[in-house]
Amino acid sequence: EAGVTQSPTHLNKTRGQQATLRCSPISGHTSVYWYQQALGLGLQFLLWYDEGEERNRGNFPPRFSGRQFPNYSSELNVNALELEDSALYLCASSLGDRRYNEQFFGPGTRLTVL
Amino acid sequence: GESVGLHLPTLSVQEGDNSIINCAYSNSASDYFIWYKQESGKGPQFIIDIRSNMDKRQGQRVTVLLNKTVKHLSLQIAATQPGDSAVYFCAENRNYGQNFVFGPGTRLSVLP
Repeated sequence: EAGVTQSPTHLNKTRGQQATLRCSPISGHTSVYWYQQALGLGLQFLLWYDEGEERNRGNFPPRFSGRQFPNYSSELNVNALELEDSALYLCASSLGDRRYNEQFFGPGTRLTVL
Repeated sequence: GESVGLHLPTLSVQEGDNSIINCAYSNSASDYFIWYKQESGKGPQFIIDIRSNMDKRQGQRVTVLLNKTVKHLSLQIAATQPGDSAVYFCAENRNYGQNFVFGPGTRLSVLP
């Protein structure tokens, strides 16, 4: 069974540009989570989608947004990129209808803002 | 705000020894915990989980201990191997389907 996949693996942008990151969850998983992992830091929760709706978001500005498609894949969009947005962006998926939901992570997208 | 933290940012152990990685959490409402392992260039990988109605759970070479009284979580790795070298994160979850709160991580280095 395929795991969580993310694309692209690496993404280089300049300040002010917009970035789009993509995630495909494990088949059968309806929840998708996005995390930011800045260099040397832990994972910071960004967004949670379930059944196509945004369920929760972390303490990030509105220029971080996303969506979940009918096939449960998801996009993370970051507008007006700033240097400090450089980080590893991790996507995780889980079954949406279980109380204790193990989250399975993808390999991440390394975003570099120059 | 509330957070999950780790006592030791780095841990070096000799190959074959046992490793203990500690984690403190601050939200007594948290009822589900996971330990993740992250190797360089990869996403976090599930190691073991534990629910708040348990105080110990064992996996293959790993044991997680939960002490709700002092809000402490630990991961024990038996007979540590070079392949265990990675950053280990504890994560807490307090609501159905909610995001996990991750600690900053502990880097485990296995010495030959």
